[in-house]
Amino acid sequence: QVQLQESGPGLVKPSETLSLTCSVSGGSITDNSFYWGWIRQPPGKGLEWIANFTYSGSTYFIPSLNSRVTISVDTSKNHFSLKLSSVTAADTAVYYCASGSAPHYASGTYFPFDPWGQGVQVTVSS
Amino acid sequence: EIVLTQSPGTLSLSPGERAALSCRASQSVSSTYLAWYQQKPSQAPRLLIYGASSRATGIPDRFSGSGSGTDFTLTISRLEPEDFAVYYCHQYGSSPWTFGQGTRVEIK
Repeated sequence: QVQLQESGPGLVKPSETLSLTCSVSGGSITDNSFYWGWIRQPPGKGLEWIANFTYSGSTYFIPSLNSRVTISVDTSKNHFSLKLSSVTAADTAVYYCASGSAPHYASGTYFPFDPWGQGVQVTVSS
Repeated sequence: EIVLTQSPGTLSLSPGERAALSCRASQSVSSTYLAWYQQKPSQAPRLLIYGASSRATGIPDRFSGSGSGTDFTLTISRLEPEDFAVYYCHQYGSSPWTFGQGTRVEIK
């Protein structure tokens, strides 16, 4: 069973870059029967999808963050990372990584995020 | 972008009662790509329903999903104490993927 764990600094200064890592266990990030993604939740608010990707190269971002988001993969460490540049207080949130089963993502055969990591709180403040 | 609107915002019920949560989409959503999640304080969301009506692994049969097009419903047949939480609908068929704003089910 795939398990995910987020890590990263809990405090980031405005205008700097937020960097988070999601460590994957119980499965390989190069396995194309899964897709991977990031979701965030501002304090006291609902969930906001940020991005999805498959190892084979399909990547999707929420348009409102598209120009500020970078996703990278480190296969040697079996983890993937999120970088969000030029952060403001509005980027303060709990950030979750998650995966979903994707028997054939490109043809639309995939399932929703499950499981999720436990989440990491990131606060943007000087 | 598909906007999902959940109602009511808060549902006050007693254990043993039936809960019906609504999720309305701003445009048609394929049933294949409609999910429901449960979230408790300080926890990650837990998948309950996918494909509008299929229960995820380990989810009790008191949880059921229904609907099509723009109107979907999550029903909890008899509320157990552990069911008091926030519930989100989620469409994952059209990018950007979106979530509803949530319905809180609280103890009356």
